[in-house]
Amino acid sequence: DQQVKQNSPSLSVQEGRISILNCDYTNSMFDYFLWYKKYPAEGPTFLISISSIKDKNEDGRFTVFLNKSAKHLSLHIVPSQPGDSAVYFCAASAFQGAQKLVFGQGTRLTINP
Amino acid sequence: DSGVTQTPKHLITATGQRVTLRCSPRSGDLSVYWYQQSLDQGLQFLIQYYNGEERAKGNILERFSAQQFPDLHSELNLSSLELGDSALYFCASSVAGWGNEQYFGPGTRLTVT
Repeated sequence: DQQVKQNSPSLSVQEGRISILNCDYTNSMFDYFLWYKKYPAEGPTFLISISSIKDKNEDGRFTVFLNKSAKHLSLHIVPSQPGDSAVYFCAASAFQGAQKLVFGQGTRLTINP
Repeated sequence: DSGVTQTPKHLITATGQRVTLRCSPRSGDLSVYWYQQSLDQGLQFLIQYYNGEERAKGNILERFSAQQFPDLHSELNLSSLELGDSALYFCASSVAGWGNEQYFGPGTRLTVT
């Protein structure tokens, strides 16, 4: 049972344009969501998070949007840079502070110069 | 560099064997988490330890066990290895007994032949 789904295994975007990565979840108990970025041969690194009491959180070029009614979140990267090429994982937890993170399968983002 | 170290980086072994993966958390972090990432899969939470005590359990097989030592490093023991156990194994750490912002090590790639 895949509670967190990233339906696009890969995404290719032109440098300077917007990258939009999507994530859907099924468990209505999830109330805290995170995005992690992973380069080859490295562990995932935390990028940005959002609590269910918000619908948007921004950090520089990265913005996460949460649509609770649709059980959907998205990560926007503007403008996209070559260094953003990586695998992006969406993760969720049942309440902020829970030990267990449930991860999606990841989306490989490629930024083309 | 997340500050989390994992050894070894690569491990190749035969079916039926037993291996031990080691993780040292970031300085000051009390929680250690273990994750498994199989080919084209997201990260699957295995188990969490907090200050030496098991705190949460995920999809960890009975053939697998873990512990956290007084110096807070952790070991994941995998026994009676099967081909399907081939995966990347990540360790993460966080400051407290909860840790949405978990810091990941570079992973150990286990290949069972």
